[in-house]
Amino acid sequence: ETGVTQSPTHLIKTRGQQVTLRCSSQSGHNTVSWYQQALGQGPQFIFQYYREEENGRGNFPPRFSGLQFPNYSSELNVNALELDDSALYLCASSSNPKPTSVTQYFGPGTRLTVL
Amino acid sequence: GENVEQHPSTLSVQEGDSAVIKCTYSDSASNYFPWYKQELGKGPQLIIDIRSNVGEKKDQRIAVTLNKTAKHFSLHITETQPEDSAVYFCWAGAGSYQLTFGKGTKLSVIP
Repeated sequence: ETGVTQSPTHLIKTRGQQVTLRCSSQSGHNTVSWYQQALGQGPQFIFQYYREEENGRGNFPPRFSGLQFPNYSSELNVNALELDDSALYLCASSSNPKPTSVTQYFGPGTRLTVL
Repeated sequence: GENVEQHPSTLSVQEGDSAVIKCTYSDSASNYFPWYKQELGKGPQLIIDIRSNVGEKKDQRIAVTLNKTAKHFSLHITETQPEDSAVYFCWAGAGSYQLTFGKGTKLSVIP
């Protein structure tokens, strides 16, 4: 098991609502990346936070936003939820922002269902 | 960005047999090729990785081979066991902060 934790485990929301997902990174890690994994698909990169700043973003609209705190934990916020936002949301922590240099450790994910 | 294709999408093998999963990539600058295993209800876990200056790497029953000329790399699992049943993802990257995963292969090991 990795030291990355996510909360909540499961969440049900309705269209138009807002949601906040949380991630605690592994001890000693300063980088958190967020991914969306639709059913039967591979994880899709949303964005990365490094030392409290957004450090790269995938092809997701601005209603997906995030934060990283001084202890390097992170939040993913999604506004104006749509049905297609239903997915498993994964966070991964690492000791630097380059995935080719260090291993990314994934948390167990938050399953979001939008009705 | 990098385009990664993974085959097959599903694979069933008898316990004790070998399993091979293949990924092809498009960016010739890619130099890092990890494989992740995702069990039901869990996040992906790195199981093995290879860099472009190496053609093959082994770790017990798992091996990865890389053919940079053909732009493909493969995961080999020998003497499969029921606990190998999971979804396996490949990734190819060249320093981008963005991980681009393949669509995954669901491996089922039949006892």
